[in-house]
Amino acid sequence: EDQVTQSPEALRLQEGESSSLNCSYTVSGLRGLFWYRQDPGKGPEFLFTLYSAGEEKEKERLKATLTKKESFLHITAPKPEDSATYLCAVQVVVKGYSTLTFGKGTMLLVSP
Amino acid sequence: EAGVAQSPRYKIIEKRQSVAFWCNPISGHATLYWYQQILGQGPKLLIQFQNNGVVDDSQLPKDRFSAERLKGVDSTLKIQPAKLEDSAVYLCASSYRNFNQPNEKLFFGSGTQLSVL
Repeated sequence: EDQVTQSPEALRLQEGESSSLNCSYTVSGLRGLFWYRQDPGKGPEFLFTLYSAGEEKEKERLKATLTKKESFLHITAPKPEDSATYLCAVQVVVKGYSTLTFGKGTMLLVSP
Repeated sequence: EAGVAQSPRYKIIEKRQSVAFWCNPISGHATLYWYQQILGQGPKLLIQFQNNGVVDDSQLPKDRFSAERLKGVDSTLKIQPAKLEDSAVYLCASSYRNFNQPNEKLFFGSGTQLSVL
């Protein structure tokens, strides 16, 4: 069974204090690994897709990396507006159709 | 570009009642998904449509949940009868195809928050 585990469950940072979120996965036939951001009362918003080990992608203060077993979301000098839940999901293809299996997420709170 | 539209935003019902949720995907998106997100959990796939056909409903509790996508556009998800454990946010998502191609992704609506009392 495909599994996605995110850690920590919650993280509190001071503004400017860099850190990393972890997503470890066990899946047969990984097609891609997705990171989403979810604000309270809203649906997940796409951030990145990573397709192969060693790949990195950046967007503003966020950088996502991928290895064969896990992905990291690095947050450099975070601001209060980065506060949100960050969801990791693995894309698998079954019978020609893609689905996303999500982890439970990491709730990030950045204090001014 | 208009996003995925869902209604209602909130719904409060008593157990054993029925409820329906509506979703209008992004125009031109062939694939539509319904996810259930329980508080503190990640979204869990309930059902996936390709156009108006079901391609995966393995995690849909079929004794109480049903979904349809008429004419390959709008979709409705129904629960009848509702149980306390159905309290969750029901998210609709869509993608252009089935996002097998690089750089395709799922776009989510804001969800319907259901409380079953």
